[in-house]
Amino acid sequence: EVQLVESGGGLVKPGGSLRLSCAASGFTFSSYSMNWVRQAPGKGLEWVSSISSSSSYIYYADSVKGRFTISRDNAKNSLYLQMNSLRAEDTAVYYCARDLQYGTTADYWGQGTLVTVSS
Amino acid sequence: DIQMTQSPSSLSASVGDRVTITCQASQDISNYLNWYQQKPGKAPKLLIYDASNLETGVPSRFSGSGSGTDFTFTISSLQPEDIATYYCQQYDNLPQWTFGGGTKVEIK
Repeated sequence: EVQLVESGGGLVKPGGSLRLSCAASGFTFSSYSMNWVRQAPGKGLEWVSSISSSSSYIYYADSVKGRFTISRDNAKNSLYLQMNSLRAEDTAVYYCARDLQYGTTADYWGQGTLVTVSS
Repeated sequence: DIQMTQSPSSLSASVGDRVTITCQASQDISNYLNWYQQKPGKAPKLLIYDASNLETGVPSRFSGSGSGTDFTFTISSLQPEDIATYYCQQYDNLPQWTFGGGTKVEIK
């Protein structure tokens, strides 16, 4: 069974940093691209970042470019999101999601971890 | 950037009703569109990929159609467990995904 479990969320002050993790199991992690998608409270879904299976290709939404860094450790079956210079508008539930094929479709999602940026 | 306009933003229907949600893209996206279901407090779940393909294990009362700029998502007979918010998502301009604003489905 495919499982994605996020962790690392919490309350952080504006300008602060946080590192999210996503532990994957039930599939060959090193064969899949992965994504981070976020959802602000009461709002819709927003794609944040993606990383290819071997980390060769990395992409970011304009809203986080230069502040967030996605990475992965295939030996540990883990995906990460380093978030720096956090802003109030980054407050959201952050989901990790597996890519079904060629960066097109999120076929499995984690349960999400809440990041709150507030003073 | 490609914009996705979903309508309605919410709807209320009776059990057994046919429910239709539309998603319009700001430019031609071929069939590069997916549909997700998100129940309250839960993660999204893939229902339809490539505009009309039913994900494995998803009940056949769910369907999708369309291509180009206009897409439709249908629940043929609404069930109580279908209460959720539904989102369309385009992947024409990879690697960026864009989601529609969502449609909240409630039981009348």
